[in-house]
Amino acid sequence: AQSVAQPEDQVNVAEGNPLTVKCTYSVSGNPYLFWYVQYPNRGLQFLLKYITGDNLVKGSYGFEAEFNKSQTSFHLKKPSALVSDSALYFCAVRVVPSNTGKLIFGQGTTLQVKP
Amino acid sequence: IAGITQAPTSQILAAGRRMTLRCTQDMRHNAMYWYRQDLGLGLRLIHYSNTAGTTGKGEVPDGYSVSRANTDDFPLTLASAVPSQTSVYFCASSPGGGRDTGELFFGEGSRLTVL
Repeated sequence: AQSVAQPEDQVNVAEGNPLTVKCTYSVSGNPYLFWYVQYPNRGLQFLLKYITGDNLVKGSYGFEAEFNKSQTSFHLKKPSALVSDSALYFCAVRVVPSNTGKLIFGQGTTLQVKP
Repeated sequence: IAGITQAPTSQILAAGRRMTLRCTQDMRHNAMYWYRQDLGLGLRLIHYSNTAGTTGKGEVPDGYSVSRANTDDFPLTLASAVPSQTSVYFCASSPGGGRDTGELFFGEGSRLTVL
């Protein structure tokens, strides 16, 4: 069965420090992997995706994610956190087989960046 | 820029009542989705539609129905609401077909409370 796990309910980091939000996945075949961000009382916004190619994917707002096939991980990273990065982050994997956007989401990780 | 519009934004509903959540998109996307978001569970797919005139069941379809009479609209109906359907509901869309890499565009959500 396909699944996504985000092992941390919350990540706390000081502004200016690097941040990592963890994600592991289980999927048959080659995964399509995504990160979305949700600000309070808003819908989800796409950050970045991995389909194929370079294992390091760059996305919006200075975020990047590293695909690691051997560890089945897709951790979200940013070199220097901002207070405005505080939000709820979701990792997701595309259901296979599929030619649409049917995704399986992780349970979400709250990122708290403190000044 | 409208994207996806959901209505109502928030609703309190008595158990046993019928409720329809509306969703309209102006991006001419073929595929549309309904997800529910619950604390600690992330987002779970309720129903989806790959193209106008077709629908399919997601992960948690029981108690919900959808229709897709045209490209733009994808209403979600709760025939007889129960308290366990208290949740935040998100409508989303994606291009569908060969253009679709799984990136979803989300509405702002409809918060439903069933008493």
